[in-house]
Amino acid sequence: NAGVTQTPKFQVLKTGQSMTLQCAQDMNHEYMSWYRQDPGMGLRLIHYSVGAGITDQGEVPNGYNVSRSTTEDFPLRLLSAAPSQTSVYFCASSQASSGANVLTFGAGSRLTVL
Amino acid sequence: GQNIDQPTEMTATEGAIVQINCTYQTSGFNGLFWYQQHAGEAPTFLSYNVLDGLEEKGRFSSFLSRSKGYSYLLLKELQMKDSASYLCAATDSNYQLIWGAGTKLIIKP
Repeated sequence: NAGVTQTPKFQVLKTGQSMTLQCAQDMNHEYMSWYRQDPGMGLRLIHYSVGAGITDQGEVPNGYNVSRSTTEDFPLRLLSAAPSQTSVYFCASSQASSGANVLTFGAGSRLTVL
Repeated sequence: GQNIDQPTEMTATEGAIVQINCTYQTSGFNGLFWYQQHAGEAPTFLSYNVLDGLEEKGRFSSFLSRSKGYSYLLLKELQMKDSASYLCAATDSNYQLIWGAGTKLIIKP
């Protein structure tokens, strides 16, 4: 099993460009989520999904879109990149969204917006 | 508001014991997680506490006091590979995780 696979690992964008961060998991997890991690701050939830066809906003959703057409895939789209979106992004999944459900994280995507 | 506090950085000696504290304030509470994150890597799960008391797992133990909104992670027989950031996260009433900023642990020989 590959676990959670994120691509790309590194990306440099210019302000205003759009891009998609890909996330796929092969563990048949119902719950998937996207976080950003910035220095000196805790992980912040961007969007999450409790199953195919269902998505919801997290703490910092502005400037990002998601979709969940299959159980396996949960792409994150940056609509018009801004320097404030420079960050490390993690996709994470778990069997469900409640209880002692341990998150499995992807390796991360480091995004720089110039 | 919801908040997690943990020290920014700690230093310890190889072979010693270190305790990393975490205090939390959440709307409702459904458990507390500890994750380890090596530099440049993804967080990985260490422990989960939902009831008061100590959970031991090899060299690592985690303690929870719900009445005090307090947890700690205890690392024994420190090894150089334990140099990492340790993330505390509490689950609120909606089962959303509230994350601390992490404690960077530096192990010296």
